[in-house]
Amino acid sequence: GQQLNQSPQSMFIQEGEDVSMNCTSSSIFNTWLWYKQDPGEGPVLLIALYKAGELTSNGRLTAQFGITRKDSFLNISASIPSDVGIYFCAGLPNAGNNRKLIWGLGTSLAVNP
Amino acid sequence: DSGVTQTPKHLITATGQRVTLRCSPRSGDLSVYWYQQSLDQGLQFLIQYYNGEERAKGNILERFSAQQFPDLHSELNLSSLELGDSALYFCASSVDPTNEKLFFGSGTQLSVL
Repeated sequence: GQQLNQSPQSMFIQEGEDVSMNCTSSSIFNTWLWYKQDPGEGPVLLIALYKAGELTSNGRLTAQFGITRKDSFLNISASIPSDVGIYFCAGLPNAGNNRKLIWGLGTSLAVNP
Repeated sequence: DSGVTQTPKHLITATGQRVTLRCSPRSGDLSVYWYQQSLDQGLQFLIQYYNGEERAKGNILERFSAQQFPDLHSELNLSSLELGDSALYFCASSVDPTNEKLFFGSGTQLSVL
C-alpha cells in the first residue's frame, strides 16, 4: 500500500541538541499527524495539522504542514532522554471517499545523556 | 493511559494455531482500528469498524478476521498462523470514522513459534 517517505530512518544525538525530521508524499494530503511511540507502548498523538503552512507547537515540539501539502516537518528543541522513541508521521490523502491514514515507517530517536 | 485496552499483552503460540486478540475502545469512541506492526513494515492498517459495521479494509490477510460487538469492543481473529505473523498488533479507536485522531492501545505482542 501507499506509504509516506519519512527521514531520517534513525538518529542518535546528544542531550540538548535540536532534532529535525520530515515526511514527504507524492500526492497531496489535507491532514498531517505526528505520533510518538515509546518502547512497549502504542503510538501517542503529538501534533495534528490541518492547513498548508500551519505551524503548531506542543511544548518543545514544533510541526509544520508544508506549503505544497506534500510534506510535513517535526522539530524537537533541546532534546532530553525521555524524547527517545519512534516518531511516526501519518497523513490523510485529499481524495477518495474512504480515506485512510497513510503512515511513514518512523524515525527512531536515541538521545545520549 | 490512552483509554484503549488490549488483551492479552503477550501471546505465544505455534504455527497452524488460531488466536483471538481483544480490544476495548475509549469510552465514547465508536470506531475501532486494527494495525499490525513489524520491524520492517512499520504500521500496517488491517481493518476498521464503526458502530459494529466494517468501515474500511487494509492489508488484512484472508486468514485474519475481525468484528465489533454491540458493546463496541472488537476482536481480531488470526488463524492458520505462520511464523511471519509474529508482530505487534495494535488496536486504536476514534470518536467517529472520519476522525483521524487515533488513540492506540498498548498492543498485543504475538510470537508464533
